[in-house]
Amino acid sequence: GNSVTQMEGPVTLSEEAFLTINCTYTATGYPSLFWYVQYPGEGLQLLLKATKADDKGSNKGFEATYRKETTSFHLEKGSVQVSDSAVYFCALSPSSGSGSRLTFGEGTQLTVNP
Amino acid sequence: GAVVSQHPSRVICKSGTSVKIECRSLDFQATTMFWYRQFPKQSLMLMATSNEGSKATYEQGVEKDKFLINHASLTLSTLTVTSAHPEDSSFYICSASTGVHEQYFGPGTRLTVT
Repeated sequence: GNSVTQMEGPVTLSEEAFLTINCTYTATGYPSLFWYVQYPGEGLQLLLKATKADDKGSNKGFEATYRKETTSFHLEKGSVQVSDSAVYFCALSPSSGSGSRLTFGEGTQLTVNP
Repeated sequence: GAVVSQHPSRVICKSGTSVKIECRSLDFQATTMFWYRQFPKQSLMLMATSNEGSKATYEQGVEKDKFLINHASLTLSTLTVTSAHPEDSSFYICSASTGVHEQYFGPGTRLTVT
């Protein structure tokens, strides 16, 4: 079956530090990959996505590249802000979009200190 | 666009009573809605998938008689937790999809059973 593995948290960084959150997946076929962000007490918001190999998703300074050869979709940001403090979830969908069922990773708590 | 609302955002109920949570797609028609449960500091667990006008498909281990799901229209799905007990206390999140392309999440409902 499909599965997603994220690096263990929590992650604590100082403002303007470089961020990497690792995500690897196991899936058959050609899944779509997503990063979602959850702020305290809220639901999930789509941060970025990639639907095929070598695609790069980007949004709000965050980037992730769909690497089929390493089955990875690592999230990066060059300079984090305090407002980026949240929980980040990597997810995959078996289809080209997220409309069908999603498989989530465990989530990584990010805290950015001023 | 693509806003999903949940009501209530927080609810406290006594053990043995039932509580209903509503999930609405405000500006689009959702052919499929998903219900998730999230425990503190954990990932989202898919409980069930519902398609408008048909019975919900429950994930393994989820009691369908305890968690009643109704998807009566293309903009409304409800989750009723029947005879709630303290172990049902959790954060419940719904999402709505128009098909394969995108899944939009609600803000979540915090249920506390005393």
